Amino acid sequence: AQSVTQPDIHITVSEGASLELRCNYSYGATPYLFWYVQSPGQGLQLLLKYFSGDTLVQGIKGFEAEFKRSQSSFNLRKPSVHWSDAAEYFCAVGALNTNAGKSTFGDGTTLTVKP
Amino acid sequence: EAGVAQSPRYKIIEKRQSVAFWCNPISGHATLYWYQQILGQGPKLLIQFQNNGVVDDSQLPKDRFSAERLKGVDSTLKIQPAKLEDSAVYLCASSLWVGLDSPLHFGNGTRLTVT
Repeated sequence: AQSVTQPDIHITVSEGASLELRCNYSYGATPYLFWYVQSPGQGLQLLLKYFSGDTLVQGIKGFEAEFKRSQSSFNLRKPSVHWSDAAEYFCAVGALNTNAGKSTFGDGTTLTVKP
Repeated sequence: EAGVAQSPRYKIIEKRQSVAFWCNPISGHATLYWYQQILGQGPKLLIQFQNNGVVDDSQLPKDRFSAERLKGVDSTLKIQPAKLEDSAVYLCASSLWVGLDSPLHFGNGTRLTVT
């Protein structure tokens, strides 16, 4: 069975600073990886996904993530954070021959943005 | 397009009472999911429907939880009787088809507090 670890429960960055959120996964085969964002009181929104090919994937809202098989990681990055990026971020891993809805989610990282 | 609609937004009940949540997915979405998101954790899948049939309910506590999807559109999730540990946000999501590449669209959730 697959699993996801998000080592940082809470991260605070200043507006305009760069951001990196960590995600480590465990899965015996080629992983299917997702990052979601959840703003307060709202559902999750897909930021980006990795299935195969280029290990650097671009998403919405200026986010990108890099898949590193050797490190079992899929870290999310943004070069310059905006106050509106304050939210909770979830990494998820899906298994072959399943569907996105059956992905295993990490416990999330809460991002606070300082003015 | 209209998003996934859920109601109510909030519900407070006493333990041993019953409660029901309603979800209306995006029009034309064949697949519907219910998740439980406990505070500080990622969403955990409870049940998956494909049209009006149950595809996976292996994580649904069937002694107290039940769900149905009427005519392959709206869905209700019921808890009877509720326990304190059922306090969580219940998220509904839908997708156009079953597959890792079919994006999930989440509703804003129902926050349940059991006292």
